[in-house]
Amino acid sequence: NAGVTQTPKFQVLKTGQSMTLQCAQDMNHNSMYWYRQDPGMGLRLIYYSASEGTTDKGEVPNGYNVSRLNKREFSLRLESAAPSQTSVYFCASITTGSSNYGYTFGSGTRLTVV
Amino acid sequence: GENVEQHPSTLSVQEGDSAVIKCTYSDSASNYFPWYKQELGKGPQLIIDIRSNVGEKKDQRIAVTLNKTAKHFSLHITETQPEDSAVYFCAASISGGSYIPTFGRGTSLIVHP
Repeated sequence: NAGVTQTPKFQVLKTGQSMTLQCAQDMNHNSMYWYRQDPGMGLRLIYYSASEGTTDKGEVPNGYNVSRLNKREFSLRLESAAPSQTSVYFCASITTGSSNYGYTFGSGTRLTVV
Repeated sequence: GENVEQHPSTLSVQEGDSAVIKCTYSDSASNYFPWYKQELGKGPQLIIDIRSNVGEKKDQRIAVTLNKTAKHFSLHITETQPEDSAVYFCAASISGGSYIPTFGRGTSLIVHP
């Protein structure tokens, strides 16, 4: 049982380049989330998908787009990367409607924009 | 919206001592309070949670307490070990619906051998 898998683990981009961060979960979870983590800022929600076919903005959505490709996969796209998007990105998933509301997180993508 | 304050931001203890991390929340409707442990280079991992109908929950050396009236909850780690060194996050949320928890900013726990 792999849980939540994120690719790539590391990436360096030049300002203005685009890229897509991939996330897949094999736990049949309904909801998926993208967070960014910066020193001293904790975890900030970028976008989430409460169920397949729906996506919503979180706290810091500017500069990002998402796609819920199917129930398993939720991707995050940076169309034109900026140095302010240098961060560690985490994908998480959960099954709502059960008694357990704890997230399962991926291991993260460390992105540097130069 | 919900606001979660977490203290301290850094906590240094000797091996075998106890560690306590405290969080306060603002929304009285919050009813689910998970704690996550993040080891260096890894994603956060759920270690314990508590619901608003429970005042305390224990799991071996870890316990969480909740005071709904005061709107605060705490993580207690007893007999700390070097492998407890990590960043710990608290969160508060309303279970159900879209489920968007609000996280504290984290506590870096350092356990000295």
